[in-house]
Amino acid sequence: SQQGEEDPQALSIQEGENATMNCSYKTSINNLQWYRQNSGRGLVHLILIRSNEREKHSGRLRVTLDTSKKSSSLLITASRAADTASYFCATVPSEGSSYKLIFGSGTRLLVRP
Amino acid sequence: ETGVTQSPTHLIKTRGQQVTLRCSSQSGHNTVSWYQQALGQGPQFIFQYYREEENGRGNFPPRFSGLQFPNYSSELNVNALELDDSALYLCASSLWDRETQYFGPGTRLLVL
Repeated sequence: SQQGEEDPQALSIQEGENATMNCSYKTSINNLQWYRQNSGRGLVHLILIRSNEREKHSGRLRVTLDTSKKSSSLLITASRAADTASYFCATVPSEGSSYKLIFGSGTRLLVRP
Repeated sequence: ETGVTQSPTHLIKTRGQQVTLRCSSQSGHNTVSWYQQALGQGPQFIFQYYREEENGRGNFPPRFSGLQFPNYSSELNVNALELDDSALYLCASSLWDRETQYFGPGTRLLVL
């Protein structure tokens, strides 16, 4: 079963606008990661935020984490057509020995030129 | 590009057959994980291999099995294929002490 749920399921914006995606999860985590997937192919790692961090930046990406609400958000600023993809959050549970990723159901982002 | 390769890229099988998917991990990575992604869904963890031993398994039946070789490449075997096994199969490699996983392009399996 999926750990997290992304919201919204789909998002359509104009190039240059900001895109915000949210992720909620259920159990305690070691870290939370965001991945991008183009056209149903392999996933590209975007950013990792640890459970003791609240905010992280990477280029045009900003990720926040609220462990009390078990939620995270991904902000893409000044979006480009090339940002069109599906975005997934994935958590690494704090329990257990394997670094398995538990993915949400994803947000499909369309950036219109 | 992550340096993780998978073969084949596409595969068509019939129900009841067996399939083997292959993955070469990124240089230096000793951990390989396999995921199944159904259409429109997020990937689901199948299992992980570390130094040739299974190191965790998701909610998949025993007909899903795997191997990791001394060079850290890996195989995913699925016996007695069912229609619901149609999916994109992704492998990911990582260093044991790092959490970031690097994904290959996937193998798309269609079971008829």
